[in-house]
Amino acid sequence: DAGVTQSPTHLIKTRGQQVTLRCSPISGHKSVSWYQQVLGQGPQFIFQYYEKEERGRGNFPDRFSARQFPNYSSELNVNALLLGDSALYLCASSFSGGSNEQYFGPGTRLTVT
Amino acid sequence: QKEVEQNSGPLSVPEGAIASLNCTYSDRGSQSFFWYRQYSGKSPELIMSIYSNGDKEDGRFTAQLNKASQYVSLLIRDSQPSDSATYLCAVMGTYKYIFGTGTRLKVLA
Repeated sequence: DAGVTQSPTHLIKTRGQQVTLRCSPISGHKSVSWYQQVLGQGPQFIFQYYEKEERGRGNFPDRFSARQFPNYSSELNVNALLLGDSALYLCASSFSGGSNEQYFGPGTRLTVT
Repeated sequence: QKEVEQNSGPLSVPEGAIASLNCTYSDRGSQSFFWYRQYSGKSPELIMSIYSNGDKEDGRFTAQLNKASQYVSLLIRDSQPSDSATYLCAVMGTYKYIFGTGTRLKVLA
């Protein structure tokens, strides 16, 4: 079975631009979470979606938004990019998003110049 | 106090030895705990989950949980050079995982 997939793999953007990252969960999984990981740190929680509803939001500014589609895939949008947004963006899927195990995709490496 | 604390390392162990990785957490109400392995430049890979006090074994890996002490650990037996990676401890909060900063493990051949 396919694991979590993310696109694109790498992305280079300029300050002030907007970016959309995409994620497809493992088949049968209904919950998607987004994390930001900067070098030397653990992943930081951004959002969790379950059945197309936002279940949780981390301590990120309103420039970050996300949505989940009827097929359970998800998009993360970041507006007005800052240099500090440069990071590895990880998507994780789980069956229901409760205490279920989360499985990570390969990530999207975003570089903001 | 950080919500999830890990020693950043590096922890160096010789090949064949037992590697012991430790993690403490601050939320006494936490119920679910996870260990992930992350190779440089890659995404985290789930190794173990543990929900009850005591030990849970899976192959060369043993997770240990002590909720009273708010402590979770991962033992890797017969460590191999391929185990060299960063090990992330994650604690389940409300609808989110809270990660530690990870411990870098080096297994010396």
